[in-house]
Amino acid sequence: AQTVTQSQPEMSVQEAETVTLSCTYDTSESDYYLFWYKQPPSRQMILVIRQEAYKQQNATENRFSVNFQKAAKSFSLKISDSQLGDAAMYFCAYRSGGDYKLSFGAGTTVTVRA
Amino acid sequence: GAGVSQSPRYKVAKRGQDVALRCDPISGHVSLFWYQQALGQGPEFLTYFQNEAQLDKSGLPSDRFFAERPEGSVSTLKIQRTQKEDSAVYLCASSSKQGPTGELFFGEGSRLTVL
Repeated sequence: AQTVTQSQPEMSVQEAETVTLSCTYDTSESDYYLFWYKQPPSRQMILVIRQEAYKQQNATENRFSVNFQKAAKSFSLKISDSQLGDAAMYFCAYRSGGDYKLSFGAGTTVTVRA
Repeated sequence: GAGVSQSPRYKVAKRGQDVALRCDPISGHVSLFWYQQALGQGPEFLTYFQNEAQLDKSGLPSDRFFAERPEGSVSTLKIQRTQKEDSAVYLCASSSKQGPTGELFFGEGSRLTVL
């Protein structure tokens, strides 16, 4: 079974600053996908960014970018120019290439200070 | 509908009661998933439907948990004889694609508290 580890239960960032969330995963497969989801207090999981393992280029979505280190099995999320609306719980997730199930980490709560 | 709708949003049950949680996926979405999210944890997979067929129920924690999607649209997750450890948020997600492809769209979940 794949495991996803998020070692930071909480992170705090000043508005307009940058914060980086860490995620490591364990797998023996070569074909897989990694995701970052945002879960605000409303509880609805929202996809932030997705990375295919076969792609060397790090994915970017506006202020969100990842640092994908395949050999180290690391997948960190950088939030630039943090906004108050970024405050939420962030989950790192893994999916095997041939599977439909997501394996989630325990999450990191991000607080944005005005 | 515009998004995945779940009801009730909150449910309080006494231990031993049966509960039913409903998921109304995005219209036309063939894939439907249920996840269980304990307090302070990430979601864990429960079961997967492709249209009306339940293709995977390996994540259901016990035989007290039962899910159905009889017409390939609305799904119901039923928990019989609820226990305190069943307290969690139950998330439903749907996708327009079959199997592993396609983005998942999540509902806001049903928070179950068992007293």
